[in-house]
Amino acid sequence: QQQVKQSPQSLIVQKGGISIINCAYENTAFDYFPWYQQFPGKGPALLIAIRPDVSEKKEGRFTISFNKSAKQFSLHIMDSQPGDSATYFCAAIPTQGGSEKLVFGKGTKLTVNP
Amino acid sequence: EPEVTQTPSHQVTQMGQEVILRCVPISNHLYFYWYRQILGQKVEFLVSFYNNEISEKSEIFDDQFSVERPDGSNFTLKIRSTKLEDSAMYFCASSVWASGALFTDTQYFGPGTRLTVL
Repeated sequence: QQQVKQSPQSLIVQKGGISIINCAYENTAFDYFPWYQQFPGKGPALLIAIRPDVSEKKEGRFTISFNKSAKQFSLHIMDSQPGDSATYFCAAIPTQGGSEKLVFGKGTKLTVNP
Repeated sequence: EPEVTQTPSHQVTQMGQEVILRCVPISNHLYFYWYRQILGQKVEFLVSFYNNEISEKSEIFDDQFSVERPDGSNFTLKIRSTKLEDSAMYFCASSVWASGALFTDTQYFGPGTRLTVL
């Protein structure tokens, strides 16, 4: 119930391509969904986040698509660049319950080839 | 840009020994967190801390773990008697505010301390 399932585990994309990472959850109390980006030797850094009252949020080349009925959300990286090569984590928080606990997916290692 | 810092970057200890992992959160932040990531697994929440007390903890955070804010800048995680399964990357995070229905503040993560228990 507290899990967030993330796929794929790893992804290789050519420069200029679209990277798509998918996450699914079961706990309907989750109501805030951030994506974190982590470079080697660094901690996770917030990339973009969405609440379930919208179906899509776009910031630059990064877009979150959210399907509340399917309890799924995904990150799309348009025009992927070698500098986007990192590990990406989806996460969720049940904020209505007053929790501050981020529940993370297992992560996706993205490699963008030049 | 302000950052969360953590020391040491790598700690090696013998099983049964006590370790203290140190974090300096961003200076105007009020909420502090510890997470851990066992190699190859997901990042897991351990504990959150506000106003000098634990506000939430996971089932992982048992009596072997404790947290403290000994002064105005440091936030520490102590493991009293380390086990082999405590080997992991430990991340400290901080935020200005906690999560709420209308506003959820970003948790800023430090670079982590890799703990190796032999």
